[in-house]
Amino acid sequence: GAVVSQHPSRVICKSGTSVKIECRSLDFQATTMFWYRQFPKQSLMLMATSNEGSKATYEQGVEKDKFLINHASLTLSTLTVTSAHPEDSSFYICSASDSSPGRNTIYFGEGSWLTVV
Amino acid sequence: SQKIEQNSEALNIQEGKTATLTCNYTNYSPAYLQWYRQDPGRGPVFLLLIRENEKEKRKERLKVTFDTTLKQSLFHITASQPADSATYLCASAGSGNTGKLIFGQGTTLQVKP
Repeated sequence: GAVVSQHPSRVICKSGTSVKIECRSLDFQATTMFWYRQFPKQSLMLMATSNEGSKATYEQGVEKDKFLINHASLTLSTLTVTSAHPEDSSFYICSASDSSPGRNTIYFGEGSWLTVV
Repeated sequence: SQKIEQNSEALNIQEGKTATLTCNYTNYSPAYLQWYRQDPGRGPVFLLLIRENEKEKRKERLKVTFDTTLKQSLFHITASQPADSATYLCASAGSGNTGKLIFGQGTTLQVKP
């Protein structure tokens, strides 16, 4: 079935550095992907909507210059956490909507654990 | 603002019993609600979607109801098994885009053998 893949699944980076997380739809095209953040024992909070070929739309309170989103193709969106700080440590999850005939389902990636030390 | 609330307390039940989880929404009328399962350290997995004009939906041992009067959805797992232990999330779309979801905080279910 349709799969959304995230890479890396776990990453540790030093404070002040940048880290990139990839989200790929493996067998369908996604003009729109979504990035969520989840802190321990809390629910998923939408960060931004990634639009293929155009700028991402950020939710209120999410810094667009800190969380850079690039939707370079119909199957790939990337989230770059710039100048990472320990408080950015979290579980980042992407989702993509497969709106092909007969599907119309949202698929989530497996998530990426970011630890900033 | 649009809000979805789930009972944040863990639900502990005995194997074989029916688990019932609650999702309440306020300040809007979602066209549909979705239920997801999330295991620790994993992304959510879609289970069921129920539309506002559907009272009930079933899939194998799962049943979801949608009561627009009570502004509530109930999620039932019948003949529960230890493998059903996970966190269950209720979600709905914000206005417009169907992929942009608002999630409840989730309810953790623990099924004891």
